[in-house]
Amino acid sequence: GDSVTQMEGPVTLSEEAFLTINCTYTATGYPSLFWYVQYPGEGLQLLLKATKADDKGSNKGFEATYRKETTSFHLEKGSVQVSDSAVYFCALSGGSNYKLTFGKGTLLTVNP
Amino acid sequence: DVKVTQSSRYLVKRTGEKVFLECVQDMDHENMFWYRQDPGLGLRLIYFSYDVKMKEKGDIPEGYSVSREKKERFSLILESASTNQTSMYLCASSSLTPGANVLTFGAGSRLTVL
Repeated sequence: GDSVTQMEGPVTLSEEAFLTINCTYTATGYPSLFWYVQYPGEGLQLLLKATKADDKGSNKGFEATYRKETTSFHLEKGSVQVSDSAVYFCALSGGSNYKLTFGKGTLLTVNP
Repeated sequence: DVKVTQSSRYLVKRTGEKVFLECVQDMDHENMFWYRQDPGLGLRLIYFSYDVKMKEKGDIPEGYSVSREKKERFSLILESASTNQTSMYLCASSSLTPGANVLTFGAGSRLTVL
């Protein structure tokens, strides 16, 4: 079945540091890929998505490129802020019912 | 602002009690989902529904049931709560429109079973 593996946290960075959170997937066919973010005390919200190979999703300074050859969708940001502290989830949608399969989440803490 | 509303943010129940978690969406979405979120395990799908009165089991349906009598409302039911059902429960919805398989989540319901 479909699965998502993302780097385990927690990840602690200083403000303005470069961020990478690795995500790899296993799926049949051509899934859509997503990054969701969960701020403290809130539900998940979509950060960015990509629907086909070589697509780059971007939002709020975050980027991720759909790499079919390496089955990866790594999240990057060039300069993190304290307000980026949250849990980040990689996910894929490969089925006809649009249900998502999530990774286990990566807690990011950014210190001033 | 479109949204998914979970009626209870925090609940404390006793072992054996029947628990209802309610979720309402105002986006006219066809699909609705219940996930469970636990530290170190991420999100796991309990049940989903793609139409009124239709439901499908997710990855961890044991101990849960669901009800979808109206398009906008999707209820999760714990027939006899147990301590291992202490968790954060997240409801989500999405449209069937091709290319629009983005989930919109509620804020979550944190359930503690004593």
